[in-house]
Amino acid sequence: GQNIDQPTEMTATEGAIVQINCTYQTSGFNGLFWYQQHAGEAPTFLSYNVLDGLEEKGRFSSFLSRSKGYSYLLLKELQMKDSASYLCAVPPGGSYIPTFGRGTSLIVHP
Amino acid sequence: DGGITQSPKYLFRKEGQNVTLSCEQNLNHDAMYWYRQDPGQGLRLIYYSQIVNDFQKGDIAEGYSVSREKKESFPLTVTSAQKNPTAFYLCASSPQAGGTGELFFGEGSRLTVL
Repeated sequence: GQNIDQPTEMTATEGAIVQINCTYQTSGFNGLFWYQQHAGEAPTFLSYNVLDGLEEKGRFSSFLSRSKGYSYLLLKELQMKDSASYLCAVPPGGSYIPTFGRGTSLIVHP
Repeated sequence: DGGITQSPKYLFRKEGQNVTLSCEQNLNHDAMYWYRQDPGQGLRLIYYSQIVNDFQKGDIAEGYSVSREKKESFPLTVTSAQKNPTAFYLCASSPQAGGTGELFFGEGSRLTVL
């Protein structure tokens, strides 16, 4: 089976750093995705991790530990436009189609 | 510009009526997907298609039907058998079936049953 867990909601201050965690349980591992979704809009791809370690992409970084079934998305220099839902997604073992977590709603305030 | 187009963006339906949501892509992607999103829930897979004229049920296929007669098109019909159809529906595509590439999403269709 597939179990993906992430916090429901987080708040942070403009200019700060925030870390959004995701834990997963899967019988196999085909990588982990992070997507950003603004309210009422389509999700957009942020990152894909298949090997352990940190992948940095501008203000956003994503970390993976396969042995711990754990990932986080790190957002630096937060901007108001970063207020959105962040979705962690993991394809179950034997599949390539991601199963999505419930998403973390991030609220950035001035 | 290449992308995925869903229509209509908003749709109202009376109980007992079938409704079809359109999804068209010009990315030349082989695989297409339909997801449903409810408040406070993650995206749940309804149907997916890896190639033309073939599709597979996802986790919540009951009350839905699809077709894939053309590579570019993957319409979803929400039938009267779907008990709770009010939701936000997202269509997506990926370059190839079996790969681990990202999904490209359309803007979504919000269906409300009155």
